[in-house]
Amino acid sequence: AQSVAQPEDQVNVAEGNPLTVKCTYSVSGNPYLFWYVQYPNRGLQFLLKYITGDNLVKGSYGFEAEFNKSQTSFHLKKPSALVSDSALYFCAVRDILTTDSWGKFQFGAGTQVVVTP
Amino acid sequence: NAGVTQTPKFQVLKTGQSMTLQCAQDMNHEYMSWYRQDPGMGLRLIHYSVGAGITDQGEVPNGYNVSRSTTEDFPLRLLSAAPSQTSVYFCASSYGQGAGYTFGSGTRLTVV
Repeated sequence: AQSVAQPEDQVNVAEGNPLTVKCTYSVSGNPYLFWYVQYPNRGLQFLLKYITGDNLVKGSYGFEAEFNKSQTSFHLKKPSALVSDSALYFCAVRDILTTDSWGKFQFGAGTQVVVTP
Repeated sequence: NAGVTQTPKFQVLKTGQSMTLQCAQDMNHEYMSWYRQDPGMGLRLIHYSVGAGITDQGEVPNGYNVSRSTTEDFPLRLLSAAPSQTSVYFCASSYGQGAGYTFGSGTRLTVV
């Protein structure tokens, strides 16, 4: 079985400060990991993914994420947050080992990011 | 523009009515899924498909049916609407295991 946890319902940060959104996962095999962002009344937009290789992954809009296998984490980071980064962020995992997960993403509950001017 | 198209964007149903939420993609993606989004619960998988003619249940399949007769289309049918099905529904597609999903803009459904 696969699962993903986002321990914070909301993250508040001042504009210009570093932003971190936490994600931990559990899979029986090796994970494919993803981050998505959702702006109000919109669908989810892909930010970045980890499949294999370098543990630090760079994505859209200046975001990056670090895969840590020993801590089973995939935290999303941005060095300097913007007010326009205020949105709902979702972490998702897909287990590449088990065939019955081929069609499935498991999403976290989401973390609301609020960036204040 | 290429992408995932969902219709309708908004719908109000009475309890017991049935309806079909439409989803179409023009990217020749094999994988398609339906999710529902409820406050504080993230996205929960309803049904998914790994190719035309192949569908399977997700986390919350009860009260919903799907079929996949073509690669492009993946409609979601509500058999007898209940207030608990009030939600925002998203269709998504992906071309492969290591690819992310492309999401539609969603259907906001209210069952009264």
